[in-house]
Amino acid sequence: EPEVTQTPSHQVTQMGQEVILRCVPISNHLYFYWYRQILGQKVEFLVSFYNNEISEKSEIFDDQFSVERPDGSNFTLKIRSTKLEDSAMYFCASSEIAALGYNEQFFGPGTRLTVL
Amino acid sequence: AQKVTQAQTEISVVEKEDVTLDCVYETRDTTYYLFWYKQPPSGELVFLIRRNSFDEQNEISGRYSWNFQKSTSSFNFTITASQVVDSAVYFCALSEATSGTYKYIFGTGTRLKVLA
Repeated sequence: EPEVTQTPSHQVTQMGQEVILRCVPISNHLYFYWYRQILGQKVEFLVSFYNNEISEKSEIFDDQFSVERPDGSNFTLKIRSTKLEDSAMYFCASSEIAALGYNEQFFGPGTRLTVL
Repeated sequence: AQKVTQAQTEISVVEKEDVTLDCVYETRDTTYYLFWYKQPPSGELVFLIRRNSFDEQNEISGRYSWNFQKSTSSFNFTITASQVVDSAVYFCALSEATSGTYKYIFGTGTRLKVLA
């Protein structure tokens, strides 16, 4: 069964460093998402991406964050200068379409980011 | 504004007891989707069920059942004859048609502990 994959599973970085979290969505999916879960808290929407551009972003997704689909398979989240409060689990998700009647998002296993 | 409330932060039950996890949502949309996800200690999000706003039929899947009531804006989840493997955090989520991107709004989760 096709699945969303994410690498690395755990990333440790120093404050101020840049990190890139990688995701490979399911191959025929067109909509891509990043969510964040600070330890012990709820899962929060960061950004959605369709047709090579951001379709929606939350207030969390500030100028330090960017997303990219550099090739036909990868979907990346970059944090330019990490802060301690960026420590969280980051989930990538994809869906085939985002339309009435069918919008199930498939989640990857997550990348745990630890900022020291 | 859209919102999902899971008032039960943590529930402990003894194995074989039945347990109901509550979810109350707020939305102005007439078309929306509701979901339940399970997050075991390993951290991934496991999809359990999707319901659309036009389908108020309750659903049963093995030991799991869901009660969707639009009149009270609730989508409750019952585990019958709980088992230790059911121990996890359970999230309820809402996705609205008018959001365009169908992003998920998650509740704060309910941690279920099933004791042997």
